[in-house]
Amino acid sequence: NAGVTQTPKFQVLKTGQSMTLQCAQDMNHNSMYWYRQDPGMGLRLIYYSASEGTTDKGEVPNGYNVSRLNKREFSLRLESAAPSQTSVYFCASSSQGPNSPLHFGNGTRLTVT
Amino acid sequence: QKEVEQNSGPLSVPEGAIASLNCTYSDRGSQSFFWYRQYSGKSPELIMSIYSNGDKEDGRFTAQLNKASQYVSLLIRDSQPSDSATYLCAVNQASGANSKLTFGKGITLSVRP
Repeated sequence: NAGVTQTPKFQVLKTGQSMTLQCAQDMNHNSMYWYRQDPGMGLRLIYYSASEGTTDKGEVPNGYNVSRLNKREFSLRLESAAPSQTSVYFCASSSQGPNSPLHFGNGTRLTVT
Repeated sequence: QKEVEQNSGPLSVPEGAIASLNCTYSDRGSQSFFWYRQYSGKSPELIMSIYSNGDKEDGRFTAQLNKASQYVSLLIRDSQPSDSATYLCAVNQASGANSKLTFGKGITLSVRP
């Protein structure tokens, strides 16, 4: 039972390079999310997708784009990486409704030099 | 900006003691509340959810919610060294049917043997 799977686990980029973080869930959840976690800042929402075919900005969307490829997959793209994007990125999913908790993937640790 | 505040840590308790973790939130319309535990280098995992005023107990964990005072707390009885982790409070500021959690910055608990 995989749950939420993120790839890659680790990545080092140079400033200006691009990359896509992949996320897939097998729990038939409608909603998917991308968070970043920085020391002293907690988890901050980058983008979310309430259902297949929709995406919305979260608290810190600048410098990122997302694609909800289908119900299972939600990717996060950095078009031109900056050192400020060095962080741990978590994908999460939930079923619909305000009482639905988030289920997290194992995270991607990204370093931009 | 809707906020979730956790009292600053770190918090250190002896083994067997009660650890009390507190959280306040600014949005009176918040509907559901969650506590996540995060071990160092790992992803957050759900340990408690609470939706109505009062106490909810699950094993050694008790969540308490007071919507009038806008706070939610987590009590850990008979604390064990394995409880040493960062605890994240999350509040659902739901829009319609969507679940969108805002997290506090977390508090690090250390249980000393």
